Amino acid sequence: NAGVTQTPKFQVLKTGQSMTLQCAQDMNHNSMYWYRQDPGMGLRLIYYSASEGTTDKGEVPNGYNVSRLNKREFSLRLESAAPSQTSVYFCASSEEGGNYGYTFGSGTRLTVV
Amino acid sequence: GENVEQHPSTLSVQEGDSAVIKCTYSDSASNYFPWYKQELGKRPQLIIDIRSNVGEKKDQRIAVTLNKTAKHFSLHITETQPEDSAVYFCAARGGFKTIFGAGTRLFVKA
Repeated sequence: NAGVTQTPKFQVLKTGQSMTLQCAQDMNHNSMYWYRQDPGMGLRLIYYSASEGTTDKGEVPNGYNVSRLNKREFSLRLESAAPSQTSVYFCASSEEGGNYGYTFGSGTRLTVV
Repeated sequence: GENVEQHPSTLSVQEGDSAVIKCTYSDSASNYFPWYKQELGKRPQLIIDIRSNVGEKKDQRIAVTLNKTAKHFSLHITETQPEDSAVYFCAARGGFKTIFGAGTRLFVKA
């Protein structure tokens, strides 16, 4: 089993460009998440999907959109990239409900110039 | 809003000593408290967790304690080894949202 797979691993964008980060899990988890990680700030929730067909905003949703394509896949889109979106992005999944930890993907290092 | 405070931000210990990382959470609805270890350039990985109906949990050299009244929880690592060097994140979860602390960078000196 691959667990949680993220693509791409690295990306450089120019300000104003758009891109989609892909995430897929093979653990039959209902819940999926997108976090960004910045130095000294831990992990901050961008969007989450409690189950297939639902998505909700997290702490820092501005500038992002998401799509829960099916149970396995949850993508994150930057419509018009800004330098403030330079970060490491992690996708994660978990069992449904509040008492389970996350399995993280390997991350995408995004630089916006 | 909800937040999780984590201390210290950096911790340096000698190999064989113990390390303690402390966290405080604000959301009374939090009922699940995981700890993640992140090595340099890698993904965070769950190392231990504790649920709100338990006060302490141990797994080999790692233990976690929870004081729900004070909204405090802690990670204890005994007999530290160089491979314990990493960033450790505490987190508090209520429902679908998990709030992370800012992380503690642990250095274990051989």
